[in-house]
Amino acid sequence: DQQVKQNSPSLSVQEGRISILNCDYTNSMFDYFLWYKKYPAEGPTFLISISSIKDKNEDGRFTVFLNKSAKHLSLHIVPSQPGDSAVYFCAASVGGGADGLTFGKGTHLIIQP
Amino acid sequence: EAGVVQSPRYKIIEKKQPVAFWCNPISGHNTLYWYLQNLGQGPELLIRYENEEAVDDSQLPKDRFSAERLKGVDSTLKIQPAELGDSAVYLCASSQTGLDGYTFGSGTRLTVV
Repeated sequence: DQQVKQNSPSLSVQEGRISILNCDYTNSMFDYFLWYKKYPAEGPTFLISISSIKDKNEDGRFTVFLNKSAKHLSLHIVPSQPGDSAVYFCAASVGGGADGLTFGKGTHLIIQP
Repeated sequence: EAGVVQSPRYKIIEKKQPVAFWCNPISGHNTLYWYLQNLGQGPELLIRYENEEAVDDSQLPKDRFSAERLKGVDSTLKIQPAELGDSAVYLCASSQTGLDGYTFGSGTRLTVV
């Protein structure tokens, strides 16, 4: 039973356009959500996070939106750049993350020139 | 500052052989995690250490997997004997507490033939 779902295995976006990556979760106990970016042969690197008490967090070109009632979050990248091509993982945690993170399967974002 | 260091980066072994992975966390990080990432999946937590104590090993297949974190610093993860289905990337992560400074290593890619 997957508690964090990323239903799009891949997404192709033109350079300069907006990339929107989606994530759904089922566990209502999750109170902190994170996005990680992963290049081949490297470990996941932290991108941006959001607490369940907020509905939006922004960091430069990256914005994460949280809809608690729908148990849905999304990552917006504007404008998309070639270096953004990577696998993006949505992750969630309970109570500050000390118990570890629960990850989705990832979405492979491809930025086309 | 050095990140989380894992070795080896790659390992190929025959089934039924033993194998061990090593992780050196970021200095001062009390919490250490081992994750398993199968192809096309997100990382899944295997075990979590608080200093030298394994506080959550519920997802560790104890019949063949073992882990230790002597002196609360470096950690090793062992598989004995390895099976074909153990082929995956084994990721180590560390944090000061909870999500504070949560950082992944580059992982060890294990191939069992």
